Amino acid sequence: GAGVSQTPSNKVTEKGKYVELRCDPISGHTALYWYRQSLGQGPEFLIYFQGTGAADDSGLPNDRFFAVRPEGSVSTLKIQRTERGDSAVYLCASSPDRNYEQYFGPGTRLTVT
Amino acid sequence: TQLLEQSPQFLSIQEGENLTVYCNSSSVFSSLQWYRQEPGEGPVLLVTVVTGGEVKKLKRLTFQFGDARKDSSLHITAAQPGDTGLYLCAGASETSYDKVIFGPGTSLSVIP
Repeated sequence: GAGVSQTPSNKVTEKGKYVELRCDPISGHTALYWYRQSLGQGPEFLIYFQGTGAADDSGLPNDRFFAVRPEGSVSTLKIQRTERGDSAVYLCASSPDRNYEQYFGPGTRLTVT
Repeated sequence: TQLLEQSPQFLSIQEGENLTVYCNSSSVFSSLQWYRQEPGEGPVLLVTVVTGGEVKKLKRLTFQFGDARKDSSLHITAAQPGDTGLYLCAGASETSYDKVIFGPGTSLSVIP
């Protein structure tokens, strides 16, 4: 079956612009996670959804970052007024339930120039 | 703040050698996972360990969870070039089960 997909695979934007990153989880998975991975580091937790609601958003670095999952399936990570420090690979993962065995997508590489 | 440390950061070995990588924390985790990540891809789960002292084997890979559930090790026997990748440990805290903390990873290169 299809795995987690993320689009776009690469995004280059200018400082100050707005970007949206999309995640399509595995069908039927209720839990969805967003992570950010900088070069040479492990993934850093951003936000976790259970169904449509954000169960834990404590990893979002500031109010420029926001994520939604309106129908409990596809999720969008939104970044306003991008900064060069936002450059990283943004990973999405989904899980069948809260047992946290997560299946990761290939990531979106965001570059802010 | 819970932190996971991994050592070594980088490891380059010849095919056929054995190796061990370590994952350590001062915090107790309810469970710990090991992932392998290849360039341009997301991490792929290898194993989950839950019980202190637990040992799990996956072909040539042996995983151990420390008795106090603060540390773990991954041992690879007779490494092969296909084992090359970034090995990440990740832990779930006892208080925030859904929030997984990743270590920085060990980058392994197995030379044919």
